[in-house]
Amino acid sequence: QSVLTQPPSVSATPGQKVTISCSGSSFNIANNYVSWYQQLPGTAPKLLIYENNKRPSGIPDRFSGSKSGTSATLGITGLQTGDEADYYCGTWDSSLSAGVFGTGTKVNVV
Amino acid sequence: QLQLQESGPGLVKPSETLSLTCTVSGGSISSRDYYWGWIRQPPGKGLEWIGSIYYSGSTYYNPSLKSRVTISVDTSKNQFSLKLSSVTAADTAVYYCATLPAAVMTPDAWGQGTLVTVSS
Repeated sequence: QSVLTQPPSVSATPGQKVTISCSGSSFNIANNYVSWYQQLPGTAPKLLIYENNKRPSGIPDRFSGSKSGTSATLGITGLQTGDEADYYCGTWDSSLSAGVFGTGTKVNVV
Repeated sequence: QLQLQESGPGLVKPSETLSLTCTVSGGSISSRDYYWGWIRQPPGKGLEWIGSIYYSGSTYYNPSLKSRVTISVDTSKNQFSLKLSSVTAADTAVYYCATLPAAVMTPDAWGQGTLVTVSS
Protein backbone atom coordinates (compact mmCIF):
# COMPACT_ATOMS: atom_id res chain seq x y z
CA GLN A 1 0.00 0.00 0.00
CA SER A 2 1.36 3.39 -1.04
CA VAL A 3 2.16 6.03 1.55
CA LEU A 4 1.37 8.86 -0.87
CA THR A 5 -2.15 9.35 -2.23
CA GLN A 6 -2.99 10.54 -5.75
CA PRO A 7 -6.31 10.68 -7.63
CA PRO A 8 -6.75 7.59 -9.83
CA SER A 9 -7.40 9.62 -12.97
CA VAL A 10 -7.88 13.10 -14.39
CA SER A 11 -9.30 14.03 -17.78
CA ALA A 12 -9.19 17.12 -19.96
CA THR A 13 -9.33 18.17 -23.59
CA PRO A 14 -6.29 19.15 -25.66
CA GLY A 15 -4.97 22.56 -24.75
CA GLN A 16 -6.44 22.59 -21.27
CA LYS A 17 -4.64 22.43 -17.93
CA VAL A 18 -4.69 19.60 -15.42
CA THR A 19 -3.33 19.34 -11.91
CA ILE A 20 -2.45 16.18 -10.03
CA SER A 21 -2.23 16.15 -6.26
CA CYS A 22 0.02 14.02 -4.07
CA SER A 23 -0.88 13.84 -0.40
CA GLY A 24 1.53 12.64 2.25
CA SER A 25 2.64 13.47 5.78
CA SER A 26 5.22 15.26 7.89
CA PHE A 27 7.44 12.20 7.56
CA ASN A 28 7.72 12.42 3.81
CA ILE A 29 6.49 15.30 1.63
CA ALA A 30 6.64 18.01 4.29
CA ASN A 31 10.32 17.50 5.01
CA ASN A 32 11.81 15.99 1.86
CA TYR A 33 12.09 16.82 -1.82
CA VAL A 34 9.34 15.58 -4.16
CA SER A 35 9.88 14.22 -7.66
CA TRP A 36 7.33 13.54 -10.39
CA TYR A 37 7.51 10.87 -13.09
CA GLN A 38 5.71 10.25 -16.37
CA GLN A 39 5.23 6.65 -17.49
CA LEU A 40 4.07 6.13 -21.04
CA PRO A 41 2.54 2.71 -21.81
CA GLY A 42 5.14 -0.06 -21.86
CA THR A 43 8.05 2.19 -20.93
CA ALA A 44 10.12 3.01 -17.86
CA PRO A 45 9.19 6.04 -15.76
CA LYS A 46 10.79 9.31 -16.81
CA LEU A 47 11.75 12.12 -14.46
CA LEU A 48 9.62 15.23 -15.03
CA ILE A 49 10.19 17.27 -11.88
CA TYR A 50 12.82 17.05 -9.13
CA GLU A 51 13.45 18.96 -5.93
CA ASN A 52 9.76 19.93 -5.84
CA ASN A 53 9.75 22.31 -8.81
CA LYS A 54 12.82 21.88 -11.02
CA ARG A 55 12.68 20.50 -14.54
CA PRO A 56 15.46 18.34 -16.02
CA SER A 57 16.94 19.43 -19.30
CA GLY A 58 14.56 18.66 -22.15
CA ILE A 59 11.34 18.76 -20.12
CA PRO A 60 9.07 21.50 -21.48
CA ASP A 61 7.88 24.29 -19.21
CA ARG A 62 4.30 23.04 -19.69
CA PHE A 63 5.14 20.80 -16.73
CA SER A 64 5.45 22.41 -13.30
CA GLY A 65 5.67 21.27 -9.70
CA SER A 66 4.88 22.83 -6.36
CA LYS A 67 4.74 21.81 -2.72
CA SER A 68 2.91 23.10 0.32
CA GLY A 69 3.02 21.39 3.68
CA THR A 70 2.20 17.71 3.32
CA SER A 71 1.02 17.94 -0.29
CA ALA A 72 2.59 18.39 -3.69
CA THR A 73 1.07 19.20 -7.05
CA LEU A 74 2.02 18.55 -10.67
CA GLY A 75 0.58 20.89 -13.27
CA ILE A 76 0.40 20.28 -17.00
CA THR A 77 -0.66 23.14 -19.26
CA GLY A 78 -1.41 23.06 -22.99
CA LEU A 79 -2.38 19.41 -22.71
CA GLN A 80 -1.39 17.25 -25.68
CA THR A 81 -2.46 13.76 -26.73
CA GLY A 82 1.13 12.66 -26.13
CA ASP A 83 0.69 13.53 -22.45
CA GLU A 84 -1.64 10.56 -21.97
CA ALA A 85 0.28 8.51 -19.43
CA ASP A 86 0.50 7.49 -15.80
CA TYR A 87 2.06 10.02 -13.44
CA TYR A 88 3.67 9.24 -10.09
CA CYS A 89 5.01 11.36 -7.27
CA GLY A 90 7.92 10.13 -5.17
CA THR A 91 9.84 11.21 -2.12
CA TRP A 92 11.85 9.97 0.86
CA ASP A 93 10.09 8.92 4.04
CA SER A 94 12.18 9.75 7.08
CA SER A 95 10.14 7.47 9.35
CA LEU A 96 10.49 4.42 7.12
CA SER A 97 14.03 5.34 6.02
CA ALA A 98 12.87 4.34 2.57
CA GLY A 99 11.67 5.84 -0.67
CA VAL A 100 7.93 6.01 -1.32
CA PHE A 101 5.79 6.54 -4.39
CA GLY A 102 2.29 7.79 -4.93
CA THR A 103 -0.58 5.58 -6.03
CA GLY A 104 -0.35 6.93 -9.56
CA THR A 105 -2.69 9.04 -11.71
CA LYS A 106 -3.75 8.29 -15.25
CA VAL A 107 -4.12 11.38 -17.41
CA ASN A 108 -6.72 11.05 -20.14
CA VAL A 109 -6.78 13.52 -23.01
CA VAL A 110 -10.33 13.33 -24.34
CA GLN B 1 25.02 10.77 -18.80
CA LEU B 2 24.50 7.73 -16.64
CA GLN B 3 22.84 4.73 -18.27
CA LEU B 4 21.65 1.59 -16.56
CA GLN B 5 20.83 -1.90 -17.84
CA GLU B 6 19.17 -4.69 -15.88
CA SER B 7 19.99 -8.33 -16.53
CA GLY B 8 18.97 -11.67 -15.06
CA PRO B 9 16.53 -14.58 -15.41
CA GLY B 10 13.04 -13.76 -16.60
CA LEU B 11 11.51 -16.77 -14.86
CA VAL B 12 12.00 -17.84 -11.25
CA LYS B 13 10.33 -20.72 -9.43
CA PRO B 14 8.30 -20.13 -6.26
CA SER B 15 10.35 -20.30 -3.03
CA GLU B 16 13.59 -19.68 -4.94
CA THR B 17 15.76 -16.53 -5.01
CA LEU B 18 15.37 -13.82 -7.64
CA SER B 19 18.73 -12.38 -8.71
CA LEU B 20 19.22 -9.33 -10.92
CA THR B 21 22.21 -7.20 -11.85
CA CYS B 22 22.34 -3.60 -12.99
CA THR B 23 25.28 -2.46 -15.10
CA VAL B 24 26.14 1.22 -14.96
CA SER B 25 27.73 3.03 -17.89
CA GLY B 26 28.63 6.65 -18.49
CA GLY B 27 29.89 7.13 -14.96
CA SER B 28 31.37 5.48 -11.90
CA ILE B 29 29.36 3.53 -9.37
CA SER B 30 31.85 4.85 -6.81
CA SER B 31 30.49 8.36 -7.25
CA ARG B 32 29.69 10.03 -3.92
CA ASP B 33 26.78 11.84 -5.58
CA TYR B 34 24.50 8.84 -6.00
CA TYR B 35 22.80 5.96 -4.35
CA TRP B 36 21.84 3.05 -6.61
CA GLY B 37 18.35 1.67 -6.32
CA TRP B 38 15.83 -0.98 -7.27
CA ILE B 39 12.14 -0.34 -7.91
CA ARG B 40 9.50 -2.78 -9.11
CA GLN B 41 6.08 -2.60 -10.73
CA PRO B 42 3.67 -5.56 -10.75
CA PRO B 43 1.67 -5.87 -13.98
CA GLY B 44 -1.01 -3.19 -14.11
CA LYS B 45 -0.04 -1.75 -10.73
CA GLY B 46 2.01 1.11 -9.30
CA LEU B 47 5.65 1.58 -8.41
CA GLU B 48 7.18 0.01 -5.30
CA TRP B 49 10.57 1.11 -3.91
CA ILE B 50 12.68 -1.94 -3.00
CA GLY B 51 15.91 -0.49 -1.70
CA SER B 52 19.11 1.37 -2.41
CA ILE B 53 22.87 1.13 -1.84
CA TYR B 54 25.79 3.56 -1.66
CA TYR B 55 29.22 2.74 -3.12
CA SER B 56 30.44 2.17 0.42
CA GLY B 57 27.88 -0.59 0.90
CA SER B 58 25.45 1.37 3.07
CA THR B 59 21.88 0.23 2.34
CA TYR B 60 18.26 1.24 2.86
CA TYR B 61 15.46 -1.29 2.36
CA ASN B 62 11.68 -1.15 2.11
CA PRO B 63 10.53 -2.38 5.55
CA SER B 64 7.92 -4.64 3.96
CA LEU B 65 10.61 -6.48 1.96
CA LYS B 66 13.60 -6.10 4.26
CA SER B 67 13.63 -9.68 5.53
CA ARG B 68 13.97 -11.04 1.99
CA VAL B 69 16.08 -8.40 0.20
CA THR B 70 19.82 -8.03 -0.22
CA ILE B 71 21.37 -5.31 -2.40
CA SER B 72 25.11 -5.38 -3.05
CA VAL B 73 27.60 -3.37 -5.08
CA ASP B 74 30.63 -4.47 -7.13
CA THR B 75 32.73 -1.41 -7.83
CA SER B 76 35.25 -3.39 -9.90
CA LYS B 77 32.51 -4.25 -12.42
CA ASN B 78 30.53 -1.00 -12.06
CA GLN B 79 27.50 -3.09 -11.14
CA PHE B 80 25.04 -3.47 -8.32
CA SER B 81 22.75 -6.41 -7.66
CA LEU B 82 19.43 -7.40 -6.13
CA LYS B 83 18.57 -10.67 -4.43
CA LEU B 84 15.00 -11.38 -3.29
CA SER B 85 14.53 -14.67 -1.49
CA SER B 86 11.52 -16.96 -1.02
CA VAL B 87 9.65 -15.48 -3.96
CA THR B 88 5.96 -16.02 -4.64
CA ALA B 89 3.67 -15.08 -7.51
CA ALA B 90 3.20 -11.71 -5.80
CA ASP B 91 6.81 -10.88 -6.65
CA THR B 92 6.07 -11.06 -10.38
CA ALA B 93 6.88 -7.58 -11.67
CA VAL B 94 8.97 -5.41 -13.94
CA TYR B 95 12.13 -4.65 -11.98
CA TYR B 96 13.91 -1.35 -12.61
CA CYS B 97 17.31 -0.17 -11.47
CA ALA B 98 17.83 3.55 -11.04
CA THR B 99 20.18 6.26 -9.88
CA LEU B 100 19.20 8.18 -6.76
CA PRO B 101 20.97 11.50 -6.19
CA ALA B 102 22.18 11.36 -2.60
CA ALA B 103 20.74 14.79 -1.82
CA VAL B 104 17.16 13.79 -2.65
CA MET B 105 17.06 9.97 -2.56
CA THR B 106 14.47 9.74 -5.33
CA PRO B 107 15.24 8.21 -8.74
CA ASP B 108 16.34 10.29 -11.68
CA ALA B 109 17.75 7.97 -14.39
CA TRP B 110 16.05 4.60 -14.85
CA GLY B 111 16.96 1.39 -16.64
CA GLN B 112 14.54 0.04 -19.20
CA GLY B 113 13.26 -2.59 -16.78
CA THR B 114 13.13 -6.36 -16.90
CA LEU B 115 10.07 -8.56 -16.37
CA VAL B 116 10.53 -11.31 -13.82
CA THR B 117 7.78 -13.92 -13.61
CA VAL B 118 7.49 -16.23 -10.63
CA SER B 119 5.97 -19.51 -11.75
CA SER B 120 6.64 -23.22 -11.58
